[in-house]
Amino acid sequence: ELKVEQNPLFLSMQEGKNYTIYCNYSTTSDRLYWYRQDPGKSLESLFVLLSNGAVKQEGRLMASLDTKARLSTLHITAAVHDLSATYFCAVDRGGATNKLIFGTGTLLAVQP
Amino acid sequence: DVKVTQSSRYLVKRTGEKVFLECVQDMDHENMFWYRQDPGLGLRLIYFSYDVKMKEKGDIPEGYSVSREKKERFSLILESASTNQTSMYLCASSLRRLKGGTQYFGPGTRLTVL
Repeated sequence: ELKVEQNPLFLSMQEGKNYTIYCNYSTTSDRLYWYRQDPGKSLESLFVLLSNGAVKQEGRLMASLDTKARLSTLHITAAVHDLSATYFCAVDRGGATNKLIFGTGTLLAVQP
Repeated sequence: DVKVTQSSRYLVKRTGEKVFLECVQDMDHENMFWYRQDPGLGLRLIYFSYDVKMKEKGDIPEGYSVSREKKERFSLILESASTNQTSMYLCASSLRRLKGGTQYFGPGTRLTVL
C-alpha cells in the first residue's frame, strides 16, 4: 500500500531564511506533484516531477525527485511572507489512471 | 486556463438529508475526482471517474455515490448525510495520464451536517 509522509507538518520561518520540506513515499512511483493551498482556497499545482533526478524551479521554490530513495524535496530560498501556505506532495499510484495519494501537508508560516 | 467549478462554497444540511455536490470542468478532461479534506489527514479520494458513466471507488467511498452522465459534470451524492461527513469536499479533473495527468482543483465545498 502506497503511503506518503511529509515533514515537517508545521514550519515557522523568518523571512530571508532557507528551508526544505521532505516528502517520503513507500512504494515505487515515477511521478510526483507539489501543490500549494492558501487558507480558504483550493489547491494550485506547482510542479510535476516525472523522472529520477528531475528538478523544477519557480521563483524561490525548487522541487526535486529521487525515485531510488523514494524522496522528493521542496526547497525554499530566502523565504518571503507571500510563500505562507500549506504545501502538499502527491504521489501517482501508477497503472493506467493518475490517481494520487496525498501527503498530510506542511503548513508554512513565514514571519517578517 | 482550466476551470473547475463547484456548485456551492458552503452548505449546511441536517442528518439524514440527501445531499448533492456538483462539479463542472470546461477543459474536456477525461478524468474527474472527488476528495474530502480533513485537518491532519490531507486529501482522501472518495470516487474517481475516467469516462462518462464510468466510475471507480477511491479510498473512502462508504456513504457516498457518484454520477457522471456528461463528460464535463461529476456529481457526488451523500445518500443520507451524517455528522461525520462534515468536511471540505474538493473536485478535480485531469487529462489521461499519458497526456499529462496534472489534476486541477475546484474551489471546494465546505459541508456542515448538523
